[in-house]
Amino acid sequence: RKEVEQDPGPFNVPEGATVAFNCTYSNSASQSFFWYRQDCRKEPKLLMSVYSSGNEDGRFTAQLNRASQYISLLIRDSKLSDSATYLCVVARNTGGFKTIFGAGTRLFVKA
Amino acid sequence: EAGVTQSPTHLIKTRGQQATLRCSPISGHTSVYWYQQALGLGLQFLLWYDEGEERNRGNFPPRFSGRQFPNYSSELNVNALELEDSALYLCASSRGQGMETQYFGPGTRLLVL
Repeated sequence: RKEVEQDPGPFNVPEGATVAFNCTYSNSASQSFFWYRQDCRKEPKLLMSVYSSGNEDGRFTAQLNRASQYISLLIRDSKLSDSATYLCVVARNTGGFKTIFGAGTRLFVKA
Repeated sequence: EAGVTQSPTHLIKTRGQQATLRCSPISGHTSVYWYQQALGLGLQFLLWYDEGEERNRGNFPPRFSGRQFPNYSSELNVNALELEDSALYLCASSRGQGMETQYFGPGTRLLVL
C-alpha cells in the first residue's frame, strides 16, 4: 500500500462544475500537508498548504481530518485553466524528514 | 526573486554513461531536494541536502549520488545509466529543514538510449 493515495483519475468536468479530490495517508506521524498542481510537462507548483482548521483560497478549499488521515481539495466554479494534475503531498519527520507525493489526480475541465 | 534553476534542460546519454545534473536553489534557501518523475508516474524522492550534508535518501541504488556546495547549489550524479533512468529529474528548494514549502525548478529531462 502506498503511503499517500489519491483518487484515481482522470476527472472530466464541465466549466463551472465543483470537483473534489480526496487523499489518504497511512503514517499517523505526518505533520505537514500540501496540494500542488502540475501542468503537463511542467514542474509542480504549490497550490496551497493544508491546515488543521481547513483553509480557503478563492475557489479552492482544503480540508484535513487527522483522525481519518484524510485530506481533500475542493475546486468551485471550475475553469478551463484548472486542467492539470493535482498532487497531494505529506511531510513527516520520523526516521528522518520525508516528503511523500501522491501519484496525482488528473483533471480535465471542458467548455 | 529568481526561482529554482536547473541545467541542462535536456540530456541524452547512452546506457552505461554517467549523467550530471545541476540545481541552484532560491536565494536564502539552504535545503535542496531531488526527485525522479518517470513518464506517467508520480514523484519519487531521491535525495535531500541541507547545509552541505546529505540528510536523507530515497529507495534508489548507490549509483544515484550527489552533493551540495557551500553556495547551496547542488549536483545529482547518476552513474552506470540504465534505460529505466530516463525521466524528468526535478530539484526543489526550501528554507531550512523539514516542513517548509518546497519550490520546484523546471527539471532536467534525461533520456538514456
